[in-house]
Amino acid sequence: AQSVTQLGSHVSVSEGALVLLRCNYSSSVPPYLFWYVQYPNQGLQLLLKYTTGATLVKGINGFEAEFKKSETSFHLTKPSAHMSDAAEYFCAVSGDDYKLSFGAGTTVTVRA
Amino acid sequence: DTGVSQDPRHKITKRGQNVTFRCDPISEHNRLYWYRQTLGQGPEFLTYFQNEAQLEKSRLLSDRFSAERPKGSFSTLEIQRTEQGDSAMYLCASSSDAYGSEAFFGQGTRLTVV
Repeated sequence: AQSVTQLGSHVSVSEGALVLLRCNYSSSVPPYLFWYVQYPNQGLQLLLKYTTGATLVKGINGFEAEFKKSETSFHLTKPSAHMSDAAEYFCAVSGDDYKLSFGAGTTVTVRA
Repeated sequence: DTGVSQDPRHKITKRGQNVTFRCDPISEHNRLYWYRQTLGQGPEFLTYFQNEAQLEKSRLLSDRFSAERPKGSFSTLEIQRTEQGDSAMYLCASSSDAYGSEAFFGQGTRLTVV
């Protein structure tokens, strides 16, 4: 079984500041890890994924995440926030069956 | 390919009525998933198909819920005798079964039961 915990339901950052969203996972098998973004009344868009290999994963819109097995973490970062980054972000984990288990989400607001 | 399509985008229904939602996946994807998302929560898995076979159903999927994927193409999700607790966003996703493939999501159907 897999599960995800996202630390912090709301994050507020200034434009140009670092964005850091925390995700810890639990998995009984080697995990596949994902970050998705959701804008109001929209579906989910994939930001990045980790399956195997390099533990630092780069995604779209300047986001990246690092898989740390020893810490069971997959935190998402972006060096410089933009107003368009305001959205809800979900961390998800899956195993061999590809079924996704999502965290509760983190809402990001960006201050001008 | 325009991605995963869901219809309708919004549905308002009276309690006790039946509703049906449709999902058209990306054409070459053989896996199709349904998720439910309530306000302030992450999506929760409901069921998935490998081609036309329904391989798993969550315990969240009560007897009032049924999903089909005839011929392994589009899928429908039907809710019978709707209840106010069924109000949620219903999300469809599809993926290939290649190693590490990600799920592509539709824009969802927002159901409101009044």
